[in-house]
Amino acid sequence: DTGVSQDPRHKITKRGQNVTFRCDPISEHNRLYWYRQTLGQGPEFLTYFQNEAQLEKSRLLSDRFSAERPKGSFSTLEIQRTEQGDSAMYLCASSTTGGTRGSPLHFGNGTRLTVT
Amino acid sequence: QKEVEQNSGPLSVPEGAIASLNCTYSDRGSQSFFWYRQYSGKSPELIMSIYSNGDKEDGRFTAQLNKASQYVSLLIRDSQPSDSATYLCAVNRPQGAQKLVFGQGTRLTINP
Repeated sequence: DTGVSQDPRHKITKRGQNVTFRCDPISEHNRLYWYRQTLGQGPEFLTYFQNEAQLEKSRLLSDRFSAERPKGSFSTLEIQRTEQGDSAMYLCASSTTGGTRGSPLHFGNGTRLTVT
Repeated sequence: QKEVEQNSGPLSVPEGAIASLNCTYSDRGSQSFFWYRQYSGKSPELIMSIYSNGDKEDGRFTAQLNKASQYVSLLIRDSQPSDSATYLCAVNRPQGAQKLVFGQGTRLTINP
């Protein structure tokens, strides 16, 4: 178990460019989550997969954001036409199914995005 | 009203004392409660989970849950400088997907 892996660790991009982040979850975890965190705030839910199915997407997420998990393993998060307000830490987490009580999330080290 | 509320702090506690961190939540149907620790520039790390009313102890950490009051707390005994971090309270949403909703976190500083 090597934990949740995210790539890249840091990304600096110019406004208007597209960026893509990758997340590799813990291998036996079937759930994968994307969160966004800005300074002084807790993680904010973006979207969530169970296996390859995207089951929920935050209403706060604009159409510029898209996520995929094509084979139920790794996931990608793409942001099109980046804006300065997209600057944040993007966190990926994975968990087991956990039944009705839910399961704790295990986070990766995050990708810090800076839009200039 | 936020779904999960924490006092953002900063909370300053002398080394060796007990640090008490509090969290309230709005959805009475929530069933799972978690405390995460986050060091500056790092990702959140799970330290405690609690599902039933009462206390749950793990080493120097004790989580307390009171569902009637919609209140969950974390006590850290014999606080160490290495406990200085932001502590995030997270609550699961009982409807739909099993996602966690996080509070804004409480910044804790342990003074030597």
